[in-house]
Amino acid sequence: GQNIDQPTEMTATEGAIVQINCTYQTSGFNGLFWYQQHAGEAPTFLSYNVLDGLEEKGRFSSFLSRSKGYSYLLLKELQMKDSASYLCAVSDSNYQLIWGAGTKLIIKP
Amino acid sequence: GAVVSQHPSRVICKSGTSVKIECRSLDFQATTMFWYRQFPKQSLMLMATSNEGSKATYEQGVEKDKFLINHASLTLSTLTVTSAHPEDSSFYICSARLMASYNEQFFGPGTRLTVL
Repeated sequence: GQNIDQPTEMTATEGAIVQINCTYQTSGFNGLFWYQQHAGEAPTFLSYNVLDGLEEKGRFSSFLSRSKGYSYLLLKELQMKDSASYLCAVSDSNYQLIWGAGTKLIIKP
Repeated sequence: GAVVSQHPSRVICKSGTSVKIECRSLDFQATTMFWYRQFPKQSLMLMATSNEGSKATYEQGVEKDKFLINHASLTLSTLTVTSAHPEDSSFYICSARLMASYNEQFFGPGTRLTVL
């Protein structure tokens, strides 16, 4: 079956760095997405990886290892507004998005 | 670019009534739109995939006669929750996929449905 695993909840301190991991097993692979979702709102796009390596975009970076079925989202210089759920999603062989359950990130001052 | 709107943003209705939710791609044409449902503290659950001009493909466990989907144009898809019951109360989100891109989905702001 298809499976996406990510931690349920993480806590970090304002100004620090946090890494949210995602492992996946899917039928085919056409890229991995990270989305941010604040409570009561729709997801917003953060990053897309289809090749191995690190993609950096401001304070956020995303890494992919296809051989390991593994990705992480790295958030630097954490701000209180970064408190949200972070969703990992994999595009399978049919270009269907398979979603993880999301990681709730709590930022403490 | 790539903006998706949903209407209404919130709706409260009585049990047994039907509710229609519209999803529009404002500045692009979307051959495929997706309808998701999200219960509190849970992840997105895909309900159905809607292709313009054809019947929607429903995920297992989603009643197609209860959740009617129409994708009449490249910029509009509608989801009608028929004979809504309290257990249908949820956050309904649509997304649209660009014609030229198979991968990225652009999300609407969501519709909060509460059935009394």
